[in-house]
Amino acid sequence: GAVVSQHPSWVICKSGTSVKIECRSLDFQATTMFWYRQFPKQSLMLMATSNEGSKATYEQGVEKDKFLINHASLTLSTLTVTSAHPEDSSFYICSARDGTSGKNEQFFGPGTRLTVL
Amino acid sequence: DAKTTQPPSMDCAEGRAANLPCNHSTISGNEYVYWYRQIHSQGPQYIIHGLKNNETNEMASLIITEDRKSSTLILPHATLRDTAVYYCIVRVPWMDSSYKLIFGSGTRLLVRP
Repeated sequence: GAVVSQHPSWVICKSGTSVKIECRSLDFQATTMFWYRQFPKQSLMLMATSNEGSKATYEQGVEKDKFLINHASLTLSTLTVTSAHPEDSSFYICSARDGTSGKNEQFFGPGTRLTVL
Repeated sequence: DAKTTQPPSMDCAEGRAANLPCNHSTISGNEYVYWYRQIHSQGPQYIIHGLKNNETNEMASLIITEDRKSSTLILPHATLRDTAVYYCIVRVPWMDSSYKLIFGSGTRLLVRP
């Protein structure tokens, strides 16, 4: 299957700082990208969805000013957690789909573990 | 909200078939059923998806009932490496021609030696 990478794989930051997570599709064009968050022993929660070149659409209850999403190219999306606090500590997973392939497959990155001290 | 219901946990013996059920009684006629699995601290891995017909690939088989209100994922010969959380997902339309995957709580499968 297609490969989606994330960087960094883990990050520790101080409360009040901002953290940027990158998501890249390595061998296909990601026309649509998704960001999920997962707390320990819980399922994945969709945070936002974005088409390349468009603003992200956020799920209900997700603060768009706190979780900034940029999907400026067909291979890269970034999630910036602004003014991070300990409650933002979580496993962040991106996902990407090539809407032009017709295969209806969505691929996930390996995740980024964020710890806010 | 997720449109699927799965048992929270199951186990099976190594080498035997693992049959994971999923209820999706509110599924619409053009909504696909997807299965992913997640091994601890990794991103979800695609397994299979289907609409109406049964599907099979190198990883698993997907059996969808005729009324499409439930489905079963079958791992024909489970190995210890198949221990994971398995998610059954009904994809939800998003915008004009796209969709998104909303995860439910999943089934934690333990394969016993």
